[in-house]
Amino acid sequence: DVKVTQSSRYLVKRTGEKVFLECVQDMDHENMFWYRQDPGLGLRLIYFSYDVKMKEKGDIPEGYSVSREKKERFSLILESASTNQTSMYLCASSPPFGEQFFGPGTRLTVL
Amino acid sequence: QKEVEQNSGPLSVPEGAIASLNCTYSDRGSQSFFWYRQYSGKSPELIMSIYSNGDKEDGRFTAQLNKASQYVSLLIRDSQPSDSATYLCAARKGQAGTALIFGKGTTLSVSS
Repeated sequence: DVKVTQSSRYLVKRTGEKVFLECVQDMDHENMFWYRQDPGLGLRLIYFSYDVKMKEKGDIPEGYSVSREKKERFSLILESASTNQTSMYLCASSPPFGEQFFGPGTRLTVL
Repeated sequence: QKEVEQNSGPLSVPEGAIASLNCTYSDRGSQSFFWYRQYSGKSPELIMSIYSNGDKEDGRFTAQLNKASQYVSLLIRDSQPSDSATYLCAARKGQAGTALIFGKGTTLSVSS
């Protein structure tokens, strides 16, 4: 079974803090994704990566950056957290042109 | 802007009935489509994928695709209260895109 894990289920941070969200997959998938999900807005793609050190902006990359130094690990970075980044963050992975599998999610609250 | 549209619901059906969930997409280049189930507070879970026109069955679930009409549907037979969840439809961007476009989901409520 595909397994995607995320570093925290719940996280509370202060405005202006630098926040790291980590995602690890164990299926040797080339593609990894970061989404945020908000009520009424659905799933929105922040960034994705199709290979180590490669990244592409999604629909809402502003305020975020990513890092993929190893194939199995994809990190989302909030350089200076703001209250409007309070959300559920979901990581997913997939093989090329294959199905995406999601991790359990991190519910981030920025105070 | 390429989009995937779903009726937000809630769609309410009695236990044992057939639930029909519908989805339309705007990107004519999309060739791959996916249905995810998401329970409240949980992450999306893949139910089915469909790539060809017609029907694809898996247990109580049937996905239907009509590329000419740009329409995807999911039928759930013998609906159970445990099927109560939000169902997300997704389409691959373009013919060979890496990313998916997700609809906002339809909430299904199955009453016992």
